[in-house]
Amino acid sequence: KQEVTQIPAALSVPEGENLVLNCSFTDSAIYNLQWFRQDPGKGLTSLLLIQSSQREQTSGRLNASLDKSSGRSTLYIAASQPGDSATYLCAVLRGGAQKLVFGQGTRLTINP
Amino acid sequence: IAGITQAPTSQILAAGRRMTLRCTQDMRHNAMYWYRQDLGLGLRLIHYSNTAGTTGKGEVPDGYSVSRANTDDFPLTLASAVPSQTSVYFCASGTGGLEQFFGPGTRLTVL
Repeated sequence: KQEVTQIPAALSVPEGENLVLNCSFTDSAIYNLQWFRQDPGKGLTSLLLIQSSQREQTSGRLNASLDKSSGRSTLYIAASQPGDSATYLCAVLRGGAQKLVFGQGTRLTINP
Repeated sequence: IAGITQAPTSQILAAGRRMTLRCTQDMRHNAMYWYRQDLGLGLRLIHYSNTAGTTGKGEVPDGYSVSRANTDDFPLTLASAVPSQTSVYFCASGTGGLEQFFGPGTRLTVL
């Protein structure tokens, strides 16, 4: 059974810092990995999608990497801003199943 | 309509009542999903549909049913609501193993 773990559960940093969020998964037979952002009381917004054949994806200040063999992904946020405060979720899609398995999320707070 | 819409936004329901949560997408995605999100348990898949006319059970299907009569709509029905079904429900859609997109959610309280 695929399990997804995100560490840390919560993170608080001052504005302007670069930071890394971690995601690990137990079964390397994944189709893709997706990072989401969730604001309090809101739905999930897709940030980045990494296919299993890719090593990383970039969008603006965000960069996500994927190491399938070690079962790990990281989300790098450059020059953090208070507006980046949210919960960040990673999810893996198992091959052939089209079903996402989610981590518990990292609650990020950027302090002005 | 842009993306995925869900209705109602929130609902308070008496235990034992029947309730249907509605979900509509306009992206012509083949696959659609229902998740529930609970504090400490994260997001869990309830039911899914890979294409119109087919449905499948997810991780926590008991007490819920779905139908997929066409590509755009994927309603979730609680036949007889119980307090443990108090949760936030998210509908999502996706195409062939690619990116999944989520609706804004329905907050359901069963008393």
